[in-house]
Amino acid sequence: QSALTQPASVSGSPGQSITISCTGTSSDVGGYNYVSWYQQHPGKAPKLMIYDVSKRPSGVSNRFSGSKSGNTASLTISGLQAEDEADYYCCSYAGSSTWVFGGGTKLTVL
Amino acid sequence: QVQLVQSGAEVKKPGASVKVSCKASGYTFTSYDINWVRQATGQGLEWMGWMNPNSGNTGYAQKFQGRVTITRNTSISTAYMELSSLRSEDTAVYYCVCTVTTAFDIWGQGTMVTVSS
Repeated sequence: QSALTQPASVSGSPGQSITISCTGTSSDVGGYNYVSWYQQHPGKAPKLMIYDVSKRPSGVSNRFSGSKSGNTASLTISGLQAEDEADYYCCSYAGSSTWVFGGGTKLTVL
Repeated sequence: QVQLVQSGAEVKKPGASVKVSCKASGYTFTSYDINWVRQATGQGLEWMGWMNPNSGNTGYAQKFQGRVTITRNTSISTAYMELSSLRSEDTAVYYCVCTVTTAFDIWGQGTMVTVSS
């Protein structure tokens, strides 16, 4: 399985919105509605932010939203805040009880 | 609260094996799958495999087939990940993760495994 494709970096100013893309194939992102997104601060374990493409776990800010179109999923963060600066990873179910992650995107809040 | 606590850092020589433990608390251990994900320094996340603690059924990423084994001891609510034939490229932080939804919901704190001669 090949890793899902994410941009290496994105940036935005406080208060702005940014979108991170995650491109796979019809065998993973396009084939299932099991895309999730994780936030990881330096030295910390990842944290689940979005699951099943667009669902938010309890406690996750509604500034975070997810969507999918074809083989590409997206994470949008609105009203950017300094604490949103982190690495973000997408993940998709890939069939036969396997999962694949994206390469990660570094978000910089300017 | 739901918590996964992993064993401490390990240093191994090339060719050796390592076994990392993951103790679950705050929920019924057999209720949710346990996955293992690793992250080399400065690199991305990589899914390694999963286990159903109730049945003991497992599945592994093709990349690790034949080298990784995930087991459990239900009496002490603990899962294990053993990786054999270690090489320098296996140097990474290894995470156990509990799947409550259809995603990786609860993460352990991570275990650093260093492979060095």
